[in-house]
Amino acid sequence: DQQVKQNSPSLSVQEGRISILNCDYTNSMFDYFLWYKKYPAEGPTFLISISSIKDKNEDGRFTVFLNKSAKHLSLHIVPSQPGDSAVYFCAASARGSQGNLIFGKGTKLSVKP
Amino acid sequence: GAGVSQSPSNKVTEKGKDVELRCDPISGHTALYWYRQRLGQGLEFLIYFQGNSAPDKSGLPSDRFSAERTGESVSTLTIQRTQQEDSAVYLCASSSHRGGSSTDTQYFGPGTRLTVL
Repeated sequence: DQQVKQNSPSLSVQEGRISILNCDYTNSMFDYFLWYKKYPAEGPTFLISISSIKDKNEDGRFTVFLNKSAKHLSLHIVPSQPGDSAVYFCAASARGSQGNLIFGKGTKLSVKP
Repeated sequence: GAGVSQSPSNKVTEKGKDVELRCDPISGHTALYWYRQRLGQGLEFLIYFQGNSAPDKSGLPSDRFSAERTGESVSTLTIQRTQQEDSAVYLCASSSHRGGSSTDTQYFGPGTRLTVL
């Protein structure tokens, strides 16, 4: 039973355009959401996060949107760059948990020059 | 400063053998996590250490898996009598999380790729 779902295993975008990566969750106890980026042979790198008390968080080219009623979040990358090509993982942690993260399966983003 | 380091980076072993994986967290980070990523899957939580508290072992898949941590430093994950389904990348993360909050960022090491033949 997957609590965090990334339904698109891959996404291809042209350089300069917007990349939108989606994530759905089922556990209403989740109160903190994160996006990690992973290059081959490296560990995941923290990208951006959002608390459940917010619906948007922005950091440079990266914006995360949270829709609690739909249990959905998305990561927008604008403008996309070839260096953004990586696997993006959505993760969540639950209120009262020790902080252990529940991860989605990831979406592989390819940004073409 | 130095990030999270893990060793070895790759480990190939035969079914039935024991393996030990090592994680050096970021200095000063009290929380340490082990995750596993099998091929085509997301990261799967295994175990969590916070300071000198009893670890949260709720994610360990079987009693063949165990982990130790000395104080707030190095951790080792041991898999006994390895099976082919144990083949995965084992990732360690640390954070400055001090309990009561789920919002401290976890910093990951590069992982150990374990292959069980």
